[in-house]
Amino acid sequence: ETGVTQTPRHLVMGMTNKKSLKCEQHLGHNAMYWYKQSAKKPLELMFVYNFKEQTENNSVPSRFSPECPNSSHLFLHLHTLQPEDSALYLCASSLAGGSDEQYFGPGTRLTVT
Amino acid sequence: DQQVKQNSPSLSVQEGRISILNCDYTNSMFDYFLWYKKYPAEGPTFLISISSIKDKNEDGRFTVFLNKSAKHLSLHIVPSQPGDSAVYFCAASARTGANNLFFGTGTRLTVIP
Repeated sequence: ETGVTQTPRHLVMGMTNKKSLKCEQHLGHNAMYWYKQSAKKPLELMFVYNFKEQTENNSVPSRFSPECPNSSHLFLHLHTLQPEDSALYLCASSLAGGSDEQYFGPGTRLTVT
Repeated sequence: DQQVKQNSPSLSVQEGRISILNCDYTNSMFDYFLWYKKYPAEGPTFLISISSIKDKNEDGRFTVFLNKSAKHLSLHIVPSQPGDSAVYFCAASARTGANNLFFGTGTRLTVIP
């Protein structure tokens, strides 16, 4: 497996469910990111981790909870989401934090019912 | 307020002709600019970048032009090929700051055979 992988690729969940998105990078990078892409909106940065430490939380509601156990793995734990949270969630990694070229995973298409 | 804008949601070009995708930004602190390409069901992939100390960067069929005074950049693809059909995102960062990427909403390019 190479590059940045994300699972699941599609997720449908109810507003009372708890689920987690997983991201894994095989590039030896030290920084990982979560982005949200809603229809007709730009990619919105949610969280940044550098060397497993969270360095950015872009005013994300607490119903989204990130976890970075090591430089290769990143999770996004979801609970009590709202329908407006339905979007494509993209994970990315880069060699260093805030680095220029970020490598993206294919994304998880999330639908909240 | 959006700091990176792509005002054309879509563009259609005949194969072999030039494709010009435009991007405007508002933050004068941005000093590094990137273009990403996204195919359906895949994450964005890095295409080409330019630093603010340059006004042009070329890589094969792709050239990015930067006009700092107008806060405008453009991506030229020549000759355009059907495989270039994708959504193109412009992104910008301020290397002196947190260096996070700010994305535009994307332009869908269709190259007609």
